[in-house]
This record gives sequence, C-alpha cells and structure tokens, in this order.
Amino acid sequence: EAGVVQSPRYKIIEKKQPVAFWCNPISGHNTLYWYLQNLGQGPELLIRYENEEAVDDSQLPKDRFSAERLKGVDSTLKIQPAELGDSAVYLCASSPRTSGGADEQFFGPGTRLTVL
Amino acid sequence: GNSVTQMEGPVTLSEEAFLTINCTYTATGYPSLFWYVQYPGEGLQLLLKATKADDKGSNKGFEATYRKETTSFHLEKGSVQVSDSAVYFCALSSGAGSYQLTFGKGTKLSVIP
Repeated sequence: EAGVVQSPRYKIIEKKQPVAFWCNPISGHNTLYWYLQNLGQGPELLIRYENEEAVDDSQLPKDRFSAERLKGVDSTLKIQPAELGDSAVYLCASSPRTSGGADEQFFGPGTRLTVL
Repeated sequence: GNSVTQMEGPVTLSEEAFLTINCTYTATGYPSLFWYVQYPGEGLQLLLKATKADDKGSNKGFEATYRKETTSFHLEKGSVQVSDSAVYFCALSSGAGSYQLTFGKGTKLSVIP
C-alpha cells in the first residue's frame, strides 16, 4: 500500500512569490493534516480536514496561507506571498477515520521550502 | 498548555552502545505519550506509544516507560545499530482519541560502526 505522497519534495522560491504544496493521502483515509516543521523543531499542526471540511484551522495564518481539499481526497496548501520566515518543511499526514487518535496518523516525507 | 522537552542532540554513539534519549512533559489530565522516528528522506513514523501511567511501549528493541511521578518518557535501546541513525521525536496527545500532537524538538542520533 502506498504511503502519503507529497510533491514537490523541494522548492526554492524568492520572497513575495506564491507557492503550493500537494498531498495525496493513503487511500481511504478520511482525515488529512498539514503540519509545519521549522528547522530544529517538532511539527506543529496547521490544519486538519475531515473529508472536505476543515475542522481545525485555528493555527493556520490566514493572511497568507490557504488550503483546500475539494473532493475529500488530495489537498493543496498555498502560501501567497511567501516570506523569508516561511522556510521550513511542510508535512502532510492522514488517518483512517475521523475519530482516530494521534497514533493513527501516517506522515508523508514532507516538502522542504526555501525562501530567498 | 502542553509541552514536551527532550534532550538536545546530536547524539553520536558507537554501534552496540546503550542509548537513552530523555523526554519530559507538561500536560493536564492523562496524556498519551509517543516516540516518533524520522529516517533521512522519510516521513515521521510512530515508533512506540504508551497511554497510561506505568505502561511500557516497545518496538524494534526500543523501550520507553510512562512515568507519571516524574512526567517522563525516556527512550532506551540496549544495543544500537547503524540503521538506527535518525531523528527521534517525543510527543504527547491530550488522551485517547485526541488527534492533537505536541512534539519535542527532536534528537538526532548518529551511530557509527
């Protein structure tokens, strides 16, 4: 069974440019998460989806960040415009059911963003 | 709020050495505790977990015991291998069924032959 797929794996952009990250969760997983991992830090939750609904976006900086999961499967996280401080790894995770606990989250390899 | 503090790395050990990575936490109620591992170029993987006091999680030769009295969940392995080289994250969630994970900063382990 394929794991969580993320693309691109690496992205370098100049500040003020837009950028988008894509995530395809494990087949059949209803819940999808986006995390931010700064260098030398643990991941921090940005947004959680149950199917196509964003049920927890309290940590998402909505002035420049947006996310969507239109058909309840794959998801896109966007930053516009990017700032230097956005350089980090963006992780996607999925879990098989809406009431799943923390131990049922399966993580993708992440997208490493560098903003110049 | 919840927080996790783990020993800073990097940690470098020779093969077959004993490993301890310290982790302490602050949380209200009865959190569940986890260790995740991140191998180079891969996503985080759940290594082991414990959901109540005095539980011992174990997997692949790694162990950690949930110590409520010392609010700790130290990771141990009796004999490390080169293939154990990775970054290890201690984490907690608010309890059974809670999806909200709070991670420590991670500890990079390098095992040399």
